[in-house]
Amino acid sequence: AQSVTQLGSHVSVSEGALVLLRCNYSSSVPPYLFWYVQYPNQGLQLLLKYTTGATLVKGINGFEAEFKKSETSFHLTKPSAHMSDAAEYFCAVTVLGGTGKLIFGQGTTLQVKP
Amino acid sequence: DAMVIQNPRYQVTQFGKPVTLSCSQTLNHNVMYWYQQKSSQAPKLLFHYYDKDFNNEADTPDNFQSRRPNTSFCFLDIRSPGLGDAAMYLCATSIEGPTYNEQFFGPGTRLTVL
Repeated sequence: AQSVTQLGSHVSVSEGALVLLRCNYSSSVPPYLFWYVQYPNQGLQLLLKYTTGATLVKGINGFEAEFKKSETSFHLTKPSAHMSDAAEYFCAVTVLGGTGKLIFGQGTTLQVKP
Repeated sequence: DAMVIQNPRYQVTQFGKPVTLSCSQTLNHNVMYWYQQKSSQAPKLLFHYYDKDFNNEADTPDNFQSRRPNTSFCFLDIRSPGLGDAAMYLCATSIEGPTYNEQFFGPGTRLTVL
C-alpha cells in the first residue's frame, strides 16, 4: 500500500525567500509522484510530476522537486517566493498498473509574508 | 482549450433534499473520478468510472451515487444530504495508458447543506 506524509501543515516564508515543502512517501513498488497546488475555492492544478528518468523535476511557476529514493522523499522547492504562491499544496503518489488512484498527503498551507 | 467543467460552482441544498452535481469534459478521457474534500483536508476518492465500469471505494457511503451516461458527462447524486456532506466536490479525469494516470481536475462544486 502507498502513503504520503507532508511534514508541516503550515509553512510561512517571506516574499523572496526560499520555499521548501516536505513530502515523504511509502510504496512497495516504484512510485509516480505529483505535486498539486490548490487556490481557495478552486480545483487542483498539477505543478510537476516524477515518473521515471531524471530525478530533478521542474514544474510550472518556478517550482521544482527532487525524487530521492534512498530518503523516500519528494520535497518541493522554489528559490524565491512570490505573494501569488500562497495556496494549499498537496503531494500525491500513484503506481504503475494500479487503478490510477491518487493517494494524497494532508496538504501544506503556504503563507507568503510581504 | 480542452478542460474539465463542473456545474454549478456553488450549490446550496437543504438537509435531506436530493442534489445532483455535474461534471463534463472535453478531453475525451475514459476515466472519471469524484472526490470529496472537506475543509482543510486532502481530497478523498469516492468512486471512479473506467469507461462504463463503476468502481466504488469501500468506505463511500450508500448515500452517494454516480451516473455516467456517456464519455463526456458524469454526475454525482447525493440522495439525502446531511450536514456532514458539506464539502467541495472535485471531478477529475485521466486516460488509461501504459504508464501513470495523470489526473486533470475541474474547479470543484462547493456544497452547502442547511
